[in-house]
Amino acid sequence: GQQLNQSPQSMFIQEGEDVSMNCTSSSIFNTWLWYKQDPGEGPVLLIALYKAGELTSNGRLTAQFGITRKDSFLNISASIPSDVGIYFCAGLVQGAQKLVFGQGTRLTINP
Amino acid sequence: GAVVSQHPSWVICKSGTSVKIECRSLDFQATTMFWYRQFPKQSLMLMATSNEGSKATYEQGVEKDKFLINHASLTLSTLTVTSAHPEDSSFYICSAYSSSYNSPLHFGNGTRLTVT
Repeated sequence: GQQLNQSPQSMFIQEGEDVSMNCTSSSIFNTWLWYKQDPGEGPVLLIALYKAGELTSNGRLTAQFGITRKDSFLNISASIPSDVGIYFCAGLVQGAQKLVFGQGTRLTINP
Repeated sequence: GAVVSQHPSWVICKSGTSVKIECRSLDFQATTMFWYRQFPKQSLMLMATSNEGSKATYEQGVEKDKFLINHASLTLSTLTVTSAHPEDSSFYICSAYSSSYNSPLHFGNGTRLTVT
């Protein structure tokens, strides 16, 4: 089945540092999404990407949809304590409208 | 907009009993709702896709007789875990899709099920 490989699995950084994580897939997705999940809560949509090559920003977050439609990265600039959480990439299966998730990147920030 | 509400947020039940979880789209009509399960420190795994007024489509390996899904209206889908066992303890999350929104799939806040 379709799978997304997300890396790194975990990151330990200092407050103020930039963060980069990425996802790759063996399959093509027409829509790529990035979510953040806090403990005990559902995922919250951060950025949605709809076109190959698209670069989209949301505040300190920037995400790009790879030109081959098989990969995406998410960057967080100048990290702050509230950025702590688990970040998931997800590919949208066209037509079925269901999501395939990456394994997640757990971000920990040292003050 | 695009708020999805899930209830209850947590539930504890005894082994052998059934538990119902509700998923509501509060400010839009959801033609499709999805149910996911998430075990600790793992990713979300899709269980089933629910379309209003029709039978749910289950992912491979998910028992349809154990996880009953009803999508009776465009704003409500329910997941019933029947004859629950401790191994069913998990975090269950729903999401809702509407063709009216460009950003698909907003999620509920999840339901933590603990079966004792």
